[in-house]
Amino acid sequence: MQLVESGGGLVQPGGSLTLSCAASGFTFSSHWIHWVRQAPGKGLVWFSRINTDATTTNYADSVRGRFTISRDNAKNTVYLQMNSLRAEDTAVYYCARGRFLAYGMDVWGQGTTVTVS
Amino acid sequence: QSALTQPASVSGSPGQSITISCSGTSSDVGAYNYVSWYQHHPGKAPKLIISDVSNRPSGVSDRFSGSKSGNTASLTISGLQAEDEADYYCNSYTNTNTPYVFGTGTKVTVL
Repeated sequence: MQLVESGGGLVQPGGSLTLSCAASGFTFSSHWIHWVRQAPGKGLVWFSRINTDATTTNYADSVRGRFTISRDNAKNTVYLQMNSLRAEDTAVYYCARGRFLAYGMDVWGQGTTVTVS
Repeated sequence: QSALTQPASVSGSPGQSITISCSGTSSDVGAYNYVSWYQHHPGKAPKLIISDVSNRPSGVSDRFSGSKSGNTASLTISGLQAEDEADYYCNSYTNTNTPYVFGTGTKVTVL
């Protein structure tokens, strides 16, 4: 079971970036997927999730209206479109799998770094 | 939605037990039995060690245990080992417009 994030990089304030989270080794379409980030020297912060068929999405106040989560179950991939990026969005971005019929995020990617500067 | 409150650091000697608290409110920790704990070694992927307040996923050492009382959840690590040195985060479901919230994180040091 694996999640692999990609798409991070350096972007100017106000710019856009799209992250991908590619899954393998499990039935991707059966699991919610979450995004969590960690700013330098700070703790983990949950900010978005998407349900199994993409009919439900949720966001933290800090990104609502700027970030959009989506998924393509045929490609086993979740996407995070990030617009109007700010310096405070600088962080390592992790995607994580929601447990099936239980609470918690049980499979995590290694993270991809986004720097807004 | 504010982060759950954890002590910044906890330390213990090998073999000892330590407990990390996670203080929330009646809108999160106190509202549901949906609390999870994560171990995070810097530079690595976080690891789920406790779900649903006190359940250990398969493969997680039984030295880790979780509990909850009111608005406060707790993680106990017994028989502390050098490899337990890491950052630990609690997480709770909430009944606000931000459905998940992490704790502030606790750095565990093995003396």
